[in-house]
Amino acid sequence: NAGVTQTPKFRILKIGQSMTLQCTQDMNHNYMYWYRQDPGMGLKLIYYSVGAGITDKGEVPNGYNVSRSTTEDFPLRLELAAPSQTSVYFCASWNRDGSNQPQHFGDGTRLSIL
Amino acid sequence: QKEVEQNSGPLSVPEGAIASLNCTYSDRGSQSFFWYRQYSGKSPELIMSIYSNGDKEDGRFTAQLNKASQYVSLLIRDSQPSDSATYLCAVIGSARQLTFGSGTQLTVLP
Repeated sequence: NAGVTQTPKFRILKIGQSMTLQCTQDMNHNYMYWYRQDPGMGLKLIYYSVGAGITDKGEVPNGYNVSRSTTEDFPLRLELAAPSQTSVYFCASWNRDGSNQPQHFGDGTRLSIL
Repeated sequence: QKEVEQNSGPLSVPEGAIASLNCTYSDRGSQSFFWYRQYSGKSPELIMSIYSNGDKEDGRFTAQLNKASQYVSLLIRDSQPSDSATYLCAVIGSARQLTFGSGTQLTVLP
């Protein structure tokens, strides 16, 4: 199994451009998450989804949008890129099976806004 | 809103020593606590989870939880250079979302 796959791995954007960070998981997990990690900091939750068609804001949602049309995919959209959005973005998933198994993280997308 | 605080470090220990990493949390109702290890440029990797007061040991790692003091710690015995990484403390929420501390960078000196 591939687990959680994020694309692209690296991207440079100009201020004001838009882009979509892709996240796909093949584990049939209900719950999916987007985090960002600024240099020297921990991860902060942007948005999460508990199932297809259901999304909710996390700690730092401003400037981002998400959708969850399928169980597998949870794309993150930046509409007007700003330098403050330069960060590493991690997607994660978890299965609501009553266990305490850890979230599965993707490898991250490194995004620079110039 | 949950908050998680970690001693910011960086922390350096000689090879073979015990590394001690500390974390406090604000939400007294929190039940589940995790320690993640993150190598530079990589995604976080779960190394320990703890849910009950007391100690939990796994190999060279021991997690300690004190809910009355809202305190979680991670001890790494016989530290190795390969343990050099950033260690993130995390608390889980009702939708299984994680709230992370800012991390402690550990360097184990040969």
